[in-house]
Amino acid sequence: GAGVSQTPSNKVTEKGKYVELRCDPISGHTALYWYRQSLGQGPEFLIYFQGTGAADDSGLPNDRFFAVRPEGSVSTLKIQRTERGDSAVYLCASSLLGRHNEQFFGPGTRLTVL
Amino acid sequence: KNQVEQSPQSLIILEGKNCTLQCNYTVSPFSNLRWYKQDTGRGPVSLTIMTFSENTKSNGRYTATLDADTKQSSLHITASQLSDSASYICVVTTEVYGGSQGNLIFGKGTKLSVKP
Repeated sequence: GAGVSQTPSNKVTEKGKYVELRCDPISGHTALYWYRQSLGQGPEFLIYFQGTGAADDSGLPNDRFFAVRPEGSVSTLKIQRTERGDSAVYLCASSLLGRHNEQFFGPGTRLTVL
Repeated sequence: KNQVEQSPQSLIILEGKNCTLQCNYTVSPFSNLRWYKQDTGRGPVSLTIMTFSENTKSNGRYTATLDADTKQSSLHITASQLSDSASYICVVTTEVYGGSQGNLIFGKGTKLSVKP
C-alpha cells in the first residue's frame, strides 16, 4: 500500500471490554512496531515484529496486552479487560528490514475507555 | 537512564518568523538522532536523520544540528508557515553492539503554533 494504515481511527469502549486494533504496514516491510502515545507525550514503544515473530515485546505494560502478526504483514494489537488508563493513541509503524531503517508511521487509533 | 528532553514544551510564533527547538539527550550508546513532525491526529513523519559524524542536515526550511560532544540537537525552522503548526519530536536511536540498531527513545515533543 501507499502508506501504513490503521483501523479503526477511533474506538470508544467501556471499562472491562476487549478491543482489537489493526495495522496494515507498507507492502514489503518486514518490520512492524506498535507504540502508545498519551496526550502531550512522545510515543512509547510497545512491541516490535520481525516477520511473524515478536522480536522485542519489552514495552508491553502487562499481560492484558497482546499482539500478533500471523502472516508477516497485517498486525493486530489486542487489549483485554480494558482500563481507563489504556486510553491513548495507538500508533503503528513499519520499516523495510529492521530498526536500522526509517520507520513510517500510520495515523493511529484513538482509544477511549469510558 | 536513556532520556530525551525537549524545550520549549510549546511555542507560538508569527507566520514568517524563524524559530529554534532544542533537544538534549542522555542516550548511550548513540546511533542516530531524528526529528519528526507530527500533525494533529496524524502519525509522526521523519524530517531529518543525523549520525554521530554529522553536525548539520537540512530539509527545505528545516535545518537540524547535532553536537555529539554536548549531546544536544536543535531544529531551526526558517520563514515559518501556518502549515508548520505541529508537534516536533526528537528521537534518539541506541546502538546495539554488532552494528544493528536498538531502541528508539522519544522526547515529549515541542508543540509549535504558527499564527497569521
